[in-house]
Amino acid sequence: RKEVEQDPGPFNVPEGATVAFNCTYSNSASQSFFWYRQDCRKEPKLLMSVYSSGNEDGRFTAQLNRASQYISLLIRDSKLSDSATYLCVVNTYNTDKLIFGTGTRLQVFP
Amino acid sequence: DAGVTQSPTHLIKTRGQQVTLRCSPKSGHDTVSWYQQALGQGPQFIFQYYEEEERQRGNFPDRFSGHQFPNYSSELNVNALWLGDSALYLCASSPEGQGVKEPNEQFFGPGTRLTVL
Repeated sequence: RKEVEQDPGPFNVPEGATVAFNCTYSNSASQSFFWYRQDCRKEPKLLMSVYSSGNEDGRFTAQLNRASQYISLLIRDSKLSDSATYLCVVNTYNTDKLIFGTGTRLQVFP
Repeated sequence: DAGVTQSPTHLIKTRGQQVTLRCSPKSGHDTVSWYQQALGQGPQFIFQYYEEEERQRGNFPDRFSGHQFPNYSSELNVNALWLGDSALYLCASSPEGQGVKEPNEQFFGPGTRLTVL
């Protein structure tokens, strides 16, 4: 079983739609959680960290459920520029090793 | 402020050859991590260097080795290349602060795309 699992998609949505991505992780010792965005043939870039209380950054909302070992990302009012691969990432306390999911590809169409 | 830089951007090698990839961290960062990203997969952690020593290592064979220099730049060496080593190799830097502290954000370079024929 992979340490971090995501639906690879692709998710094809029209502009203005709301889309949600889910991710599960297997290591209960995981302590830090992130969503990274990766454009085609580019490097990953941090989109947002994910906190237990949930957090929001503009149109993006991230949620963490430690009991279920589940992380989500909600994108509201999708823009064409949101088209990318979204990587769910975890790491364990006292380590710098980031563990990535395979990524979920989002394509927003006009 | 220069971000993380990597060289070369692209590289083509044949099986059995050796390759060296280079990384310069973001200004003010002293910790460098290397990741391998195969097509359609997420990046996988290879190892991390801090104070010129390998601090952590992922599940990669000894063919993968590295080095960090006093100026914090780093090299990744891969010996006896296999076809399966074809991937995007990403370098990420962060300021020191791991251990008991909240992990720092890692900034990724643009990567080196390695093709093994």
